[in-house]
Amino acid sequence: DADVTQTPRNRITKTGKRIMLECSQTKGHDRMYWYRQDPGLGLRLIYYSFDVKDINKGEISDGYSVSRQAQAKFSLSLESAIPNQTALYFCATSDLLATGELFFGEGSRLTVL
Amino acid sequence: GQSLEQPSEVTAVEGAIVQINCTYQTSGFYGLSWYQQHDGGAPTFLSYNALDGLEETGRFSSFLSRSDSYGYLLLQELQMKDSASYFCAVRNQGGKLIFGQGTELSVKP
Repeated sequence: DADVTQTPRNRITKTGKRIMLECSQTKGHDRMYWYRQDPGLGLRLIYYSFDVKDINKGEISDGYSVSRQAQAKFSLSLESAIPNQTALYFCATSDLLATGELFFGEGSRLTVL
Repeated sequence: GQSLEQPSEVTAVEGAIVQINCTYQTSGFYGLSWYQQHDGGAPTFLSYNALDGLEETGRFSSFLSRSDSYGYLLLQELQMKDSASYFCAVRNQGGKLIFGQGTELSVKP
């Protein structure tokens, strides 16, 4: 089983719908992250959490919210999806990041029509 | 603000050596990481430089010059399977990684 698991892997939805992307990890890391990837724009940080009680906005948090339900679970929500939120979303985890290493899930491809 | 610059595309032939450069501007620089991504799959970690100099891991090496805000990833003995996107990422004082836009490497026979 993967250390970082994202569900769903693919989702097609309509404008205005609420969508939740879920992430769970078995690495025992305190830090979790949500990134968005668009062609030619690299990976942009949406939200991150350094422990269960800590939630921080990243570079592009508008239109998104998150919930850290437990050390192992970090969910990303789009309250009212819009077409320009069509993207590939990655969850990642890390320890203190002393080695600069993030561990990524396989990604969730979201299409908003 | 924070920004990273890397070439959008690089092409090389099998067996050759290729260098992918990355320049950055950031507050509170702690280190530079490199990641590889195949065809929209999960990015995978390649290397990390916190101090100036060269780090070698098999066919891949990574270099950092903090005074020049510059680093590069060097891939030797290129193989077809090295065709992928490569991202540099800065670890900043906020304790997170900020990524560049990625370099698409095409390895030709």
